[in-house]
Amino acid sequence: DVKVTQSSRYLVKRTGEKVFLECVQDMDHENMFWYRQDPGLGLRLIYFSYDVKMKEKGDIPEGYSVSREKKERFSLILESASTNQTSMYLCASSLRRNTEAFFGQGTRLTVV
Amino acid sequence: GQNIDQPTEMTATEGAIVQINCTYQTSGFNGLFWYQQHAGEAPTFLSYNVLDGLEEKGRFSSFLSRSKGYSYLLLKELQMKDSASYLCAVRDSNYQLIWGAGTKLIIKP
Repeated sequence: DVKVTQSSRYLVKRTGEKVFLECVQDMDHENMFWYRQDPGLGLRLIYFSYDVKMKEKGDIPEGYSVSREKKERFSLILESASTNQTSMYLCASSLRRNTEAFFGQGTRLTVV
Repeated sequence: GQNIDQPTEMTATEGAIVQINCTYQTSGFNGLFWYQQHAGEAPTFLSYNVLDGLEEKGRFSSFLSRSKGYSYLLLKELQMKDSASYLCAVRDSNYQLIWGAGTKLIIKP
């Protein structure tokens, strides 16, 4: 089974802090994604990557950056956390662009 | 713009059948996915439709009509563990997934 692991289930950070969310997948998938999920809204794509050292902006990249130095690891960085970034963050990976995505367990981030 | 619509919440009885609808308007179409998400957990893949018709997988079936921009997920013999949110997502012409807000399904005994 594919396993996508996110480094934390719950995080509480202060406004202005730099926050790192880590995601690792163990199935040699090419594609990795970061989404945020808020009540009443569908999953919104922040950034994605189709290859090592490659990154593309999704629908809501403002305030975020990413890093993919190794194929299995995709990191999401909040440069200066703000309260409107309080959300559930979901990492996902897929073998190819046209296959299903597998999700990590999510990180619930609260910015105070 | 791109849009996925599904009901916010539905209630059904244990042992019954429920149909969750999804309508979409997207820039191109390269398949439709259904995911299940229990509260506080990750979404898990349920089904994939790219051609018109019905795909059956045990108690769950998914239907697609591309001409109508419409899909449904049919759950039979409902069990309490089926209480979850069901997410509809469409892959557009750029192979990006466009997600609906999800349907929260409540199962009552």
